[in-house]
Amino acid sequence: AQTVTQSQPEMSVQEAETVTLSCTYDTSENNYYLFWYKQPPSRQMILVIRQEAYKQQNATENRFSVNFQKAAKSFSLKISDSQLGDTAMYFCAFTPYQGAQKLVFGQGTRLTINP
Amino acid sequence: KAGVTQTPRYLIKTRGQQVTLSCSPISGHRSVSWYQQTPGQGLQFLFEYFSETQRNKGNFPGRFSGRQFSNSRSEMNVSTLELGDSALYLCASSLAALNTGELFFGEGSRLTVL
Repeated sequence: AQTVTQSQPEMSVQEAETVTLSCTYDTSENNYYLFWYKQPPSRQMILVIRQEAYKQQNATENRFSVNFQKAAKSFSLKISDSQLGDTAMYFCAFTPYQGAQKLVFGQGTRLTINP
Repeated sequence: KAGVTQTPRYLIKTRGQQVTLSCSPISGHRSVSWYQQTPGQGLQFLFEYFSETQRNKGNFPGRFSGRQFSNSRSEMNVSTLELGDSALYLCASSLAALNTGELFFGEGSRLTVL
């Protein structure tokens, strides 16, 4: 069975600081995607960043970057220069290449950015 | 382009009743999937439809069912409601036929079972 674990239920940092959210996963698949989704208090979930397992280069999207360690099955998210609008639940998610659209989510990390 | 629209946004039911939730995907998206979100269990996959066919189903009892219409709109139904069915039900749509995991979510339907 595929599982995703986020060990930090809550985190809080000051505006403009850098914060790293942790995620580990377990799978026997070799080809898969990993994601970080953000769910702001208004509840609509949006995709933050995506990583394909066959790519060694870590994905980046503006202030968001990941540290993907395939052998360790680790996929952390770094948010640089954090902003108040980054306050949200962050979910790490996994899906194998093959098959239907089905995401396995972690339990989430509630991130609060303080002014 | 309009986003994923879910109706109703909030509803209250009593045990034993049934409920139908609706989801209109982004125009052109043919894959629609449903997730249940609860504080205890987190986000759990219910099922996914593509071109009116259910391609995958999560580990939920048969009381949970769904369907997709020719215009890609989808409905999910929960019969004989239980207290534990109280949750936020999220619908997500995707453009690709292949699995990319890039989903566009609606704001959800908040179901409360009394």
